[in-house]
Amino acid sequence: QLQLQESGPGLVKPSETLSLTCSVSGGSIIISNYYWGWIRQPPGKGLEWIGSIYYSGRTYYNPSLKSRVTFSVDTSKNQFSLKLDSVTAADTAIYYCARVTSRGYSYGYSDFDYWGPGIFVTVSS
Amino acid sequence: DIVVTQSPDSLAVSLGERATINCKSSQSVFYSANNRNYLAWYQQKPGQPPKVLIYWASTRESGVPDRFSGSGSGTDFTLTISSLQAEDVAIYYCQQYYSPPLVFGGGTKVEIK
Repeated sequence: QLQLQESGPGLVKPSETLSLTCSVSGGSIIISNYYWGWIRQPPGKGLEWIGSIYYSGRTYYNPSLKSRVTFSVDTSKNQFSLKLDSVTAADTAIYYCARVTSRGYSYGYSDFDYWGPGIFVTVSS
Repeated sequence: DIVVTQSPDSLAVSLGERATINCKSSQSVFYSANNRNYLAWYQQKPGQPPKVLIYWASTRESGVPDRFSGSGSGTDFTLTISSLQAEDVAIYYCQQYYSPPLVFGGGTKVEIK
């Protein structure tokens, strides 16, 4: 059974960089046509797609965050990561990593079938 | 960007009764070449990540009870729970994946009356 687990600091200071890693177990991150994604959810609010990454390093970002987001992948560790620069209180949220299915109109843009439990990140001084 | 709007924001339904949630996209998410609508439905229970219930607007994910069904095409979609069970209390989200950026609806909270 595929499992995903987010890790990283739960508290980040304003203007600093938020860094999270998603560890994948029970399957390889190197799988044709499947991307890996990040989604966030501010407290009590809805879901926002941050972006998707392929094991090759190809990325798709939400334009609303593109200027501040960087994804990376480490196939040797079966992990992928998120960096979000210049954070503010508006970036306080639960951050989820998830697998992007291959059911989409194009790969990388699809629904999500496996999710990590999420990690709550607070931006505060 | 496609805007996805859900209604109602919340609803209370008696156990065993039908619950209906609506989702409207600002543009069609139907691709005529393969006759598919690129819309998914998720269930999120408190303290848990979302769980996909339905994809391609009407295809049930493996293991999802058949009391959950999705319908609609183009811009208007519906998630129906035919006979509400206590374990169905949750927030339900729709998501379009026809064109980037991927967008979720605002959610509909389902409670027991």
